[in-house]
Amino acid sequence: RKEVEQDPGPFNVPEGATVAFNCTYSNSASQFFFWYRQDCRKEPKLLMSVYSSGNEDGRFTAQLNRASQYISLLIRDSKLSDSATYLCVVNINTDAGKSPFGDGTTLPVKP
Amino acid sequence: ETGVTQSPTHLIKTRGQQVTLRCSSQSGHNTVSWYQQALGQGPQFIFQYYREEENGRGNFPPRFSGLQFPNYSSELNVNALELDDSALYLCASSLGTPGFGDTQYFGPGTRLTVL
Repeated sequence: RKEVEQDPGPFNVPEGATVAFNCTYSNSASQFFFWYRQDCRKEPKLLMSVYSSGNEDGRFTAQLNRASQYISLLIRDSKLSDSATYLCVVNINTDAGKSPFGDGTTLPVKP
Repeated sequence: ETGVTQSPTHLIKTRGQQVTLRCSSQSGHNTVSWYQQALGQGPQFIFQYYREEENGRGNFPPRFSGLQFPNYSSELNVNALELDDSALYLCASSLGTPGFGDTQYFGPGTRLTVL
Protein backbone atom coordinates (compact mmCIF):
# COMPACT_ATOMS: atom_id res chain seq x y z
CA ARG A 1 0.00 0.00 0.00
CA LYS A 2 1.29 3.46 -0.86
CA GLU A 3 2.02 5.81 2.01
CA VAL A 4 -0.09 8.55 0.43
CA GLU A 5 -2.95 7.88 -1.98
CA GLN A 6 -5.06 10.26 -4.03
CA ASP A 7 -7.95 9.94 -6.44
CA PRO A 8 -6.25 10.41 -9.81
CA GLY A 9 -9.11 12.21 -11.48
CA PRO A 10 -9.58 13.79 -13.80
CA PHE A 11 -12.49 15.50 -12.20
CA ASN A 12 -14.25 17.26 -15.05
CA VAL A 13 -15.44 20.37 -13.31
CA PRO A 14 -17.53 23.09 -14.94
CA GLU A 15 -16.45 26.63 -14.27
CA GLY A 16 -18.12 27.98 -11.16
CA ALA A 17 -18.69 24.59 -9.56
CA THR A 18 -17.45 23.37 -6.20
CA VAL A 19 -15.15 20.35 -6.15
CA ALA A 20 -13.56 18.41 -3.33
CA PHE A 21 -11.05 15.60 -3.27
CA ASN A 22 -9.21 13.62 -0.65
CA CYS A 23 -5.80 12.26 0.13
CA THR A 24 -5.37 9.31 2.49
CA TYR A 25 -2.18 8.50 4.37
CA SER A 26 -1.08 5.30 6.04
CA ASN A 27 1.24 6.45 8.82
CA SER A 28 -0.69 7.58 11.88
CA ALA A 29 2.45 9.34 13.18
CA SER A 30 2.27 11.89 10.35
CA GLN A 31 2.35 15.42 11.62
CA PHE A 32 2.53 17.91 8.79
CA PHE A 33 0.32 18.06 5.74
CA PHE A 34 0.40 20.18 2.62
CA TRP A 35 -1.34 20.69 -0.67
CA TYR A 36 0.84 21.60 -3.65
CA ARG A 37 -0.29 22.63 -7.07
CA GLN A 38 1.55 21.53 -10.19
CA ASP A 39 0.85 22.99 -13.60
CA CYS A 40 1.62 20.96 -16.70
CA ARG A 41 5.38 20.49 -17.11
CA LYS A 42 6.13 22.87 -14.24
CA GLU A 43 7.40 22.41 -10.71
CA PRO A 44 5.08 21.93 -7.71
CA LYS A 45 4.24 25.04 -5.75
CA LEU A 46 2.81 25.24 -2.26
CA LEU A 47 -0.92 25.90 -2.29
CA MET A 48 -1.55 25.66 1.42
CA SER A 49 -0.55 23.91 4.61
CA VAL A 50 -3.21 21.87 6.38
CA TYR A 51 -3.71 22.54 10.06
CA SER A 52 -5.52 20.40 12.60
CA SER A 53 -8.32 22.93 12.90
CA GLY A 54 -8.70 23.23 9.14
CA ASN A 55 -7.86 26.36 7.22
CA GLU A 56 -9.22 28.49 4.46
CA ASP A 57 -7.55 30.70 1.88
CA GLY A 58 -10.03 32.47 -0.34
CA ARG A 59 -11.86 29.85 -2.40
CA PHE A 60 -9.74 27.01 -1.02
CA THR A 61 -10.46 25.09 2.16
CA ALA A 62 -8.28 22.34 3.58
CA GLN A 63 -9.33 19.90 6.27
CA LEU A 64 -7.54 17.20 8.25
CA ASN A 65 -9.27 14.11 9.61
CA ARG A 66 -6.81 12.31 11.85
CA ALA A 67 -9.22 9.57 12.89
CA SER A 68 -9.74 8.45 9.30
CA GLN A 69 -6.25 9.53 8.20
CA TYR A 70 -7.08 11.77 5.29
CA ILE A 71 -6.84 15.37 4.25
CA SER A 72 -9.20 17.11 1.88
CA LEU A 73 -9.15 20.10 -0.42
CA LEU A 74 -12.29 21.94 -1.41
CA ILE A 75 -12.35 24.52 -4.18
CA ARG A 76 -15.36 26.79 -4.48
CA ASP A 77 -16.36 28.75 -7.58
CA SER A 78 -13.83 26.95 -9.76
CA LYS A 79 -11.93 29.06 -12.28
CA LEU A 80 -10.34 27.97 -15.53
CA SER A 81 -7.03 28.94 -13.95
CA ASP A 82 -7.55 26.27 -11.26
CA SER A 83 -6.85 23.59 -13.89
CA ALA A 84 -3.79 21.77 -12.57
CA THR A 85 -2.69 18.67 -10.71
CA TYR A 86 -3.05 18.88 -6.96
CA LEU A 87 -0.49 16.95 -4.93
CA CYS A 88 -0.75 16.17 -1.25
CA VAL A 89 2.35 15.82 0.89
CA VAL A 90 2.59 14.18 4.28
CA ASN A 91 5.59 14.86 6.49
CA ILE A 92 6.60 12.16 8.90
CA ASN A 93 9.12 13.80 11.15
CA THR A 94 10.17 10.54 12.74
CA ASP A 95 11.46 9.37 9.37
CA ALA A 96 14.14 11.93 8.72
CA GLY A 97 13.88 13.70 5.45
CA LYS A 98 11.02 11.74 4.01
CA SER A 99 8.05 13.65 2.66
CA PRO A 100 5.91 11.32 0.57
CA PHE A 101 3.89 12.86 -2.21
CA GLY A 102 0.69 11.45 -3.59
CA ASP A 103 0.46 10.92 -7.33
CA GLY A 104 -1.85 13.88 -7.63
CA THR A 105 -5.43 14.61 -8.60
CA THR A 106 -5.82 16.16 -12.03
CA LEU A 107 -8.45 18.86 -12.24
CA PRO A 108 -9.48 20.21 -15.62
CA VAL A 109 -11.95 23.07 -15.23
CA LYS A 110 -14.14 23.45 -18.31
CA PRO A 111 -15.92 26.63 -19.48
CA GLU B 1 10.14 32.90 -8.59
CA THR B 2 11.12 30.44 -5.85
CA GLY B 3 14.77 31.42 -5.92
CA VAL B 4 15.73 27.80 -6.64
CA THR B 5 17.46 27.12 -9.94
CA GLN B 6 18.43 23.89 -11.67
CA SER B 7 20.69 23.05 -14.57
CA PRO B 8 20.53 21.86 -17.20
CA THR B 9 16.89 22.23 -18.19
CA HIS B 10 16.93 19.24 -20.50
CA LEU B 11 19.40 16.43 -20.99
CA ILE B 12 19.60 13.43 -23.27
CA LYS B 13 21.87 10.53 -22.35
CA THR B 14 22.32 6.95 -23.43
CA ARG B 15 21.98 3.86 -21.30
CA GLY B 16 25.06 3.17 -19.17
CA GLN B 17 26.26 6.77 -19.09
CA GLN B 18 26.61 8.92 -16.00
CA VAL B 19 24.92 12.26 -15.35
CA THR B 20 25.27 15.13 -12.88
CA LEU B 21 22.37 17.45 -12.22
CA ARG B 22 22.79 20.70 -10.32
CA CYS B 23 20.64 22.76 -8.02
CA SER B 24 21.12 26.13 -6.41
CA SER B 25 18.98 26.63 -3.32
CA GLN B 26 17.68 29.82 -1.82
CA SER B 27 20.34 31.54 0.24
CA GLY B 28 20.10 30.44 3.86
CA HIS B 29 18.23 27.23 3.09
CA ASN B 30 20.19 24.48 4.78
CA THR B 31 18.02 21.61 3.58
CA VAL B 32 17.75 20.32 0.03
CA SER B 33 15.75 17.35 -1.17
CA TRP B 34 15.85 15.64 -4.54
CA TYR B 35 12.89 13.99 -6.22
CA GLN B 36 12.28 11.94 -9.33
CA GLN B 37 8.97 12.48 -11.09
CA ALA B 38 7.93 10.10 -13.83
CA LEU B 39 5.12 11.04 -16.17
CA GLY B 40 1.73 10.80 -14.49
CA GLN B 41 3.15 10.21 -11.04
CA GLY B 42 3.93 12.31 -8.02
CA PRO B 43 7.49 13.19 -7.07
CA GLN B 44 9.36 10.26 -5.50
CA PHE B 45 11.81 11.15 -2.73
CA ILE B 46 15.41 10.27 -3.60
CA PHE B 47 17.33 11.76 -0.69
CA GLN B 48 17.76 14.84 1.44
CA TYR B 49 20.80 16.76 2.59
CA TYR B 50 21.06 18.97 5.63
CA ARG B 51 24.19 21.03 6.16
CA GLU B 52 26.16 18.93 3.70
CA GLU B 53 25.25 15.56 5.18
CA GLU B 54 22.72 13.05 3.91
CA ASN B 55 19.67 13.14 6.13
CA GLY B 56 17.43 10.47 4.71
CA ARG B 57 17.06 8.38 1.62
CA GLY B 58 14.18 6.92 -0.33
CA ASN B 59 14.04 3.60 -2.17
CA PHE B 60 16.66 4.37 -4.78
CA PRO B 61 19.77 2.28 -5.52
CA PRO B 62 23.27 3.44 -4.58
CA ARG B 63 23.97 4.54 -8.15
CA PHE B 64 21.96 7.62 -7.16
CA SER B 65 24.24 9.79 -5.06
CA GLY B 66 24.43 13.39 -4.03
CA LEU B 67 26.44 16.20 -2.58
CA GLN B 68 25.58 19.46 -0.90
CA PHE B 69 28.03 22.34 -0.77
CA PRO B 70 28.46 25.21 1.70
CA ASN B 71 27.29 27.75 -0.89
CA TYR B 72 23.73 26.26 -0.92
CA SER B 73 24.30 24.37 -4.15
CA SER B 74 23.90 20.64 -4.53
CA GLU B 75 24.32 17.85 -7.05
CA LEU B 76 22.54 14.66 -7.95
CA ASN B 77 24.71 12.06 -9.65
CA VAL B 78 23.33 9.01 -11.39
CA ASN B 79 25.66 6.29 -12.63
CA ALA B 80 24.96 3.50 -15.11
CA LEU B 81 21.84 5.14 -16.47
CA GLU B 82 18.86 2.94 -17.25
CA LEU B 83 15.90 3.65 -19.50
CA ASP B 84 13.62 3.90 -16.44
CA ASP B 85 15.70 6.81 -15.15
CA SER B 86 14.00 9.01 -17.74
CA ALA B 87 12.03 11.51 -15.67
CA LEU B 88 11.82 15.05 -14.35
CA TYR B 89 14.30 15.56 -11.52
CA LEU B 90 13.32 18.19 -9.00
CA CYS B 91 15.25 19.70 -6.17
CA ALA B 92 13.52 21.48 -3.32
CA SER B 93 15.06 23.64 -0.64
CA SER B 94 13.68 24.51 2.76
CA LEU B 95 14.79 26.79 5.50
CA GLY B 96 14.71 24.88 8.72
CA THR B 97 15.76 21.70 10.36
CA PRO B 98 14.35 18.67 8.57
CA GLY B 99 11.33 17.02 10.06
CA PHE B 100 9.45 20.11 11.15
CA GLY B 101 7.21 20.48 8.17
CA ASP B 102 8.90 23.40 6.49
CA THR B 103 7.62 24.57 3.14
CA GLN B 104 9.64 23.20 0.26
CA TYR B 105 10.53 25.50 -2.61
CA PHE B 106 11.02 23.64 -5.85
CA GLY B 107 13.28 24.40 -8.74
CA PRO B 108 11.96 24.13 -12.31
CA GLY B 109 13.46 20.67 -12.72
CA THR B 110 15.76 18.91 -15.15
CA ARG B 111 14.09 16.67 -17.70
CA LEU B 112 16.33 13.67 -18.32
CA THR B 113 15.80 11.37 -21.26
CA VAL B 114 17.74 8.11 -21.41
CA LEU B 115 17.90 6.44 -24.83
